[in-house]
Amino acid sequence: QSALTQPPSASGSHGQSVTISCTGTSSDVGGYKYVSWYQQHPGKAPKLMIYEVSKRPSGVPDRFSGSKSGNTASLTVSGLQAEDEADYYCSSYAGSNKLNYVFGTGTKVTVL
Amino acid sequence: EVQLEESGGGLVQPGGSLRLSCSASGFTFNTYDMHWVRQAPGRGLEHVSGVSNNGGSTYYADSVKGRFTISRDNSKNTLYLQMSSLRVEDTAVYYCVRTYCSSTSCTFDNWGQGTLVTVPS
Repeated sequence: QSALTQPPSASGSHGQSVTISCTGTSSDVGGYKYVSWYQQHPGKAPKLMIYEVSKRPSGVPDRFSGSKSGNTASLTVSGLQAEDEADYYCSSYAGSNKLNYVFGTGTKVTVL
Repeated sequence: EVQLEESGGGLVQPGGSLRLSCSASGFTFNTYDMHWVRQAPGRGLEHVSGVSNNGGSTYYADSVKGRFTISRDNSKNTLYLQMSSLRVEDTAVYYCVRTYCSSTSCTFDNWGQGTLVTVPS
């Protein structure tokens, strides 16, 4: 299947907010609660930031929040910090096989 | 602490084969589905393959179907990816990833540091 669509880049000033979208179809994002978001710094492995659309794993700051409307999920980072500058990827279960997942195209977040 | 350590990457000629391994520790390996996710240089993440906790179910991306085989040895807490007929476009960092499932959803909650596979042109 096709990758989920994310904007290539997003930016915000220190202390401000930025929102990243992740658009799929009713067969993936729109059909399930299995939307997750990952943060990846250069040369590092991805890190889980949001799962089940809006839940944060232990240790992830509450500045990170997630939501979903129809076939589009969103990640909002509030109170931007320098360490939030990274690539962000969404993912979703894609159906037909319980092991079938798809990632988004990725968004580079820059803190101005 | 959950630890996933990949090994087996390297330089392989087009058409060649390679087997990646992922040694898992810090959790009950045989109760988790596991996956391989790859990232080509400067590119995004791509889900390559997955295997259920008991090895009974597998998934392959169309890009690797028929060329890659995922397996696991629960007695050794190890995940494998046998790669054959390798192509230039298979060049990537390959991550071993654990799936955590709650009662309502699943997510990739732990990632290894990755192992680089290079198939030169």
